[in-house]
Amino acid sequence: DQQVKQNSPSLSVQEGRISILNCDYTNSMFDYFLWYKKYPAEGPTFLISISSIKDKNEDGRFTVFLNKSAKHLSLHIVPSQPGDSAVYFCAAVETTDSWGKLQFGAGTQVVVTP
Amino acid sequence: ETGVTQTPRHLVMGMTNKKSLKCEQHLGHNAMYWYKQSAKKPLELMFVYSLEERVENNSVPSRFSPECPNSSHLFLHLHTLQPEDSALYLCASSQRDFGGVYNEQFFGPGTRLTVL
Repeated sequence: DQQVKQNSPSLSVQEGRISILNCDYTNSMFDYFLWYKKYPAEGPTFLISISSIKDKNEDGRFTVFLNKSAKHLSLHIVPSQPGDSAVYFCAAVETTDSWGKLQFGAGTQVVVTP
Repeated sequence: ETGVTQTPRHLVMGMTNKKSLKCEQHLGHNAMYWYKQSAKKPLELMFVYSLEERVENNSVPSRFSPECPNSSHLFLHLHTLQPEDSALYLCASSQRDFGGVYNEQFFGPGTRLTVL
């Protein structure tokens, strides 16, 4: 049973506009959430994370929002740039599990058009 | 070499072949992971090795056999695979912490496996 879901397989956005990627989870034990970015022929690279004790974390153009009551998080990219075109994966983990077993969503393909 | 490296990058094999995937991490981490990524599906954790212990996903068939000779090297031995095993196999490493701190995983570029 998939515990992390990204219901939008793709997103197209114009350069300069905001990209909003969504992620839902079902396991209330998850307390740390991450976004990874993946280009073709490369492995995923860590982008930004958020702990469940926060509701927002910002790093440059990237902001992650967490709504624990709704079990929902989102990634905002402002402004979107052509280099942001990639697949974005949401992931979640229970930090009480020292093995750090991440649960991933299926990914959202973002295409930023000029 | 830096980060996490994987070889080969591409592999085509028949169902009766035996092959191995190799992963090496140059980050000084104490945990290594194998993931499978099938098209349009989430990354699926297959195995974790850390400090001479192993955790595995019980749904992984026995035709996949991991080996971790030391903290820097990880192998995935493949034998009598099926066409549905065709996927991207990703290796990752991280610094496992026992104090409730989560350290992100660093991924290699993956091996694209095709089983004919």
